[in-house]
Amino acid sequence: DVKVTQSSRYLVKRTGEKVFLECVQDMDHENMFWYRQDPGLGLRLIYFSYDVKMKEKGDIPEGYSVSREKKERFSLILESASTNQTSMYLCASSHGLSGYTFGSGTRLTVV
Amino acid sequence: AQSVTQLDSQVPVFEEAPVELRCNYSSSVSVYLFWYVQYPNQGLQLLLKYLSGSTLVESINGFEAEFNKSQTSFHLRKPSVHISDTAEYFCAVSSSGTYKYIFGTGTRLKVLA
Repeated sequence: DVKVTQSSRYLVKRTGEKVFLECVQDMDHENMFWYRQDPGLGLRLIYFSYDVKMKEKGDIPEGYSVSREKKERFSLILESASTNQTSMYLCASSHGLSGYTFGSGTRLTVV
Repeated sequence: AQSVTQLDSQVPVFEEAPVELRCNYSSSVSVYLFWYVQYPNQGLQLLLKYLSGSTLVESINGFEAEFNKSQTSFHLRKPSVHISDTAEYFCAVSSSGTYKYIFGTGTRLKVLA
């Protein structure tokens, strides 16, 4: 089975800090995605990548950036964390139409 | 633009009763449809998917969903639920030619003893 690993399960950061969320998949999937999940809003796409060094903005990219230097790793960066970025962050990967495989999520609290 | 609507935010149902979780989508092109399940404190898991062919798709744990193109729906059903089915269920749509999914806001299924 494909495994998608997110480096932290829970994270608490201060306003203004630079935050890195890491995601690694082990099945050579070309597509990787970052979503945030908020109650009543479902999942909203932040950024995605179809290939190494390639990235595209999703629906809510403001305040975020991403990096994909290797095929298996897709990092989400909060340049200057703010309280409205407190959320559950979900990473996913996919190959073709196989469907997404999600990581367990990182619950980020910005104080 | 694509969108997905899950009208019911919460659905309580007694154990062994049938359940239907509704999902409607809007898209002007051919679509692929998915249902995901999220158990408490976990990530999302793929439950079932419709890509083409038979409009009725089934999962290994007794859920099924039917693609209805005329009604732009992909409702999820189970004839008899268990306590362990308590979870949040998300419907998602992807247009032909893209691997990006649009998710609904989720339906929280609570199975009561």
